[in-house]
Parts: sequence; C-alpha cells; structure tokens
Amino acid sequence: EAQVTQNPRYLITVTGKKLTVTCSQNMNHEYMSWYRQDPGLGLRQIYYSMNVEVTDKGDVPEGYKVSRKEKRNFPLILESPSPNQTSLYFCASGGQGRSPLHFGNGTRLTVT
Amino acid sequence: SQQGEEDPQALSIQEGENATMNCSYKTSINNLQWYRQNSGRGLVHLILIRSNEREKHSGRLRVTLDTSKKSSSLLITASRAADTASYFCATAPNYGGATNKLIFGTGTLLAVQP
Repeated sequence: EAQVTQNPRYLITVTGKKLTVTCSQNMNHEYMSWYRQDPGLGLRQIYYSMNVEVTDKGDVPEGYKVSRKEKRNFPLILESPSPNQTSLYFCASGGQGRSPLHFGNGTRLTVT
Repeated sequence: SQQGEEDPQALSIQEGENATMNCSYKTSINNLQWYRQNSGRGLVHLILIRSNEREKHSGRLRVTLDTSKKSSSLLITASRAADTASYFCATAPNYGGATNKLIFGTGTLLAVQP
C-alpha cells in the first residue's frame, strides 16, 4: 500500500531536549516536505527536499533541521525545542512535477 | 504568507444538501488542488484543476476555477455525514521549473448533520 509513515504519532517533551520525527515513503517520490499546522494559520511549509541531498527552507524553517540521505526518508530534527514549536506536524511526498501530495497521519508535538 | 483563503471558515448543513466552499488566491498558479482532512489526521487529495481548465468533476465533487478572479469553488453534492471534515485549497505557484510546492489556505470546516 502506498503510504507516508510518520513516527511518533504523539510526542510530549521539554524545552531544549533534542528530538527527531521520522518520515518514510514507499512510493519512490523525489519530493518530500514538512508542514506544521496551527489553528487559524493553516499548513505552513517548514522544509522541503527535491531529491537526495537536496533540501531547502520553506516558509517557517527557524528552529528546525532536516536531512535527506536516502530517497525514502526525510526526518525532521528539533535541536532545541521551544514551546512555540508545539504543533501538529505533517510529512508529505509527491511525484514529479506539480502533482498531488501524499500526507502522513501527523505527529502532535507538545513542548513544555 | 498564505496564498489561499477559504470562505466560509465553517459551514453546517443537513445530509442531502449541497455544500459549496470558495477559495481565493493571490498570484499566478500552475494548478489548484483541494484536500480533505478528517479531525487531526493527514490530508487526503481530492481533486486537481489546472490553470487552463475551468471545471472538473469527480464523483460528487465539482470544482471550478476562475483565473481572472483568482478564485475556485468546491461543490459537494448530496452531502453525507461522512463528508464532515475540513477542506483545504492549495495552490501550486507558477514558478519556473518543476516543484511540488503547495501553499495551503486556512480551510473550511464542514459539518454535515444526519
């Protein structure tokens, strides 16, 4: 089954404790992206990757890092999480061109 | 900044009625897509309409696009309780080169009462 898998589904952590949210897709998509969703703000892009070893900032990249060492994986790293990063995070992947995105089920992160 | 803005923010209808949601955007686009999100879950793609298309159908969904007004509408006919969800429009900017970047609106929350 074609899917984007994110883990964990829920995460509660404390300020400053490094964390990683994993994302994996099995559709051989070149494009992958991270979004955060906040009430009243919709989805905002954090980082994206056009291919292995090619990443670029989205609209809200501050406080986040990503890596793309393999085509299928695109982890999101928060080196020093802060409470304003409490949000619902989505990973997405897409085929060539301006094709539709496939989304994971989300990671709800709470930073206290 | 958000490119797509949906209207209304929330909509409540009875089962069997039609639901119409509107989306406005600001810049030139390659295509416009509609997504559905069940509470707290991932978004699911519904339909894509290209900038040179004016109308598209998929089952009970009908999407229109007016590039002169920079607006789109999503019509769900004969709604069902299972259609209860948030609906988002997303625009693919008309940048040079191939990119999958989408800019999402803030969504319309649709509640279909049984």
